[in-house]
Amino acid sequence: KAGVTQTPRYLIKTRGQQVTLSCSPISGHRSVSWYQQTPGQGLQFLFEYFSETQRNKGNFPGRFSGRQFSNSRSEMNVSTLELGDSALYLCASSEVVRVEQFFGPGTRLTVL
Amino acid sequence: AQSVTQLGSHVSVSEGALVLLRCNYSSSVPPYLFWYVQYPNQGLQLLLKYTSAATLVKGINGFEAEFKKSETSFHLTKPSAHMSDAAEYFCAVSATSGNTPLVFGKGTRLSVIA
Repeated sequence: KAGVTQTPRYLIKTRGQQVTLSCSPISGHRSVSWYQQTPGQGLQFLFEYFSETQRNKGNFPGRFSGRQFSNSRSEMNVSTLELGDSALYLCASSEVVRVEQFFGPGTRLTVL
Repeated sequence: AQSVTQLGSHVSVSEGALVLLRCNYSSSVPPYLFWYVQYPNQGLQLLLKYTSAATLVKGINGFEAEFKKSETSFHLTKPSAHMSDAAEYFCAVSATSGNTPLVFGKGTRLSVIA
């Protein structure tokens, strides 16, 4: 099976812009989770989608949003970008979240 | 609420020496526990997991971890470090039922000195 893919791998934006990141899970996986990774805060959970429904949400402002499509592909959107949004954004897919998650390579977002 | 503490943000060992990365968890009931590894510019890869079976868990690349309920620990070990083991290691905890997300520790960067 192909692994989790994320596009784009690298992105540079300026403050105030918005950005959309994409994640394609492993075939058959209906759960997709998103994480933000920064040197200071480590890995922080953003949200999880399962069968097109947001099932869990982390402690992030409303500027961070996501959605999942019927084919389980997921997108996350960040509006009104701030310098502090610069991070590696990781997507993970699973059949059952608590048992095992498979991570994609991440999207490196730089906000200037 | 569950939480994970990884002792030591940076561990340095000589090639061939024992690797010991520490992880302590907090949970009201025995949880599922995981160790992930992250190489530079890559995502996380599962090394091993404890899901209520044997307390000594063997993973990939020669790593193993032991679940100790009395100490609420799940330390990661490898008898002999290799240069290719240099990476960031994350311990994570999850509930054994329901759909709550994984909770990750802050990570430990392992350096291997030739």
